[in-house]
Amino acid sequence: NAGVTQTPKFRILKIGQSMTLQCTQDMNHNYMYWYRQDPGMGLKLIYYSVGAGITDKGEVPNGYNVSRSTTEDFPLRLELAAPSQTSVYFCASSNLVGNEKLFFGSGTQLSVL
Amino acid sequence: QQQVKQSPQSLIVQKGGISIINCAYENTAFDYFPWYQQFPGKGPALLIAIRPDVSEKKEGRFTISFNKSAKQFSLHIMDSQPGDSATYFCAASARAGNNRKLIWGLGTSLAVNP
Repeated sequence: NAGVTQTPKFRILKIGQSMTLQCTQDMNHNYMYWYRQDPGMGLKLIYYSVGAGITDKGEVPNGYNVSRSTTEDFPLRLELAAPSQTSVYFCASSNLVGNEKLFFGSGTQLSVL
Repeated sequence: QQQVKQSPQSLIVQKGGISIINCAYENTAFDYFPWYQQFPGKGPALLIAIRPDVSEKKEGRFTISFNKSAKQFSLHIMDSQPGDSATYFCAASARAGNNRKLIWGLGTSLAVNP
């Protein structure tokens, strides 16, 4: 069972570059989420989606964009990368109303230099 | 503003001992309290969760104690093992429109010495 798959696992970007973090889930979950995790700061919600075609901002959406064209995929786009976006990014999905039980991917470690 | 306060930030326990992690919340609308376990290089995974209609929930060596009047809940790990060494996050969830809002604690890094 693949669950939630994130690619790439590691990436180094230069300031001003752009990239897309990929996330796909094979559990037919309607709800998907993007979090960033910084040391000692817990998990911060960037964007979430309640179904294909529907996305909404979380706590820290600035500098990011998302799309949800299919139930399975929820890519996160970084435009004009900045050092403040250096973090570990986690994608998660859920099949219940909201986020009763989240299934997380293994994360993408991103460094912006 | 941190709505879920988790303590301690780090914890060292000897093998076989009891690990205790505490969380406190302010919003009485929270009605679901999960604990997630995260190993290095992995995403968090749901460990155990409780709703406020019960004061305790036990799954194997892991127990959640819930005190609704004090707005506190805690995770107890009995007979702690080196394999329990991980970061633990508490969280609290409340309904928000047609979705639910999940607020995370900042995490506790647990090390169990052999």
